[in-house]
Amino acid sequence: DQQVKQNSPSLSVQEGRISILNCDYTNSMFDYFLWYKKYPAEGPTFLISISSIKDKNEDGRFTVFLNKSAKHLSLHIVPSQPGDSAVYFCAAGRRQLTFGSGTQLTVLP
Amino acid sequence: NAGVTQTPKFQVLKTGQSMTLQCAQDMNHNSMYWYRQDPGMGLRLIYYSASEGTTDKGEVPNGYNVSRLNKREFSLRLESAAPSQTSVYFCASSGNWDVNIQYFGAGTRLSVL
Repeated sequence: DQQVKQNSPSLSVQEGRISILNCDYTNSMFDYFLWYKKYPAEGPTFLISISSIKDKNEDGRFTVFLNKSAKHLSLHIVPSQPGDSAVYFCAAGRRQLTFGSGTQLTVLP
Repeated sequence: NAGVTQTPKFQVLKTGQSMTLQCAQDMNHNSMYWYRQDPGMGLRLIYYSASEGTTDKGEVPNGYNVSRLNKREFSLRLESAAPSQTSVYFCASSGNWDVNIQYFGAGTRLSVL
């Protein structure tokens, strides 16, 4: 039973446009959410997080939105750059993180 | 600026062999974690150590053992490797048990034949 789901295995966008990556969760006890980025042959690196007391958090080109009633979060990247091409994982939890299966983002020049 | 260091980077084992994956962090973090990543399945928690001297099972602990050697080091042991343990293994550490931003090593790619 996957508690954190990323239903799109891949996404392609043009350079300069917006990338939107989606994540759904089923456990209503989750109150902290994170996004990680992973390049090939490297470990995941932390990107941005959001607490359930907020519905939006921004950091430069990256914004995470949280819709608690829908149990849905999304990561927006604006504008997208070729260097953003990577696998993006969403994760949820506090003391133990539960990860989604990842979305491969490809930004086309 | 080493962060989290994992050794080895690659390993090939035969079924039934044993090995230990090493992990060390230099960020003075209390908590450390071992994950495995399989295609299409994201990262799954094997074991974790909330602080020096404690270890607990995660989602997929069967076939593994861990040792928190000191605050810096957390090792993962496969006593009798099986082909189902072919995976990429990641170690992570965190300095805040509650707001759990984890920092990952580069991974160990393990093949069990």
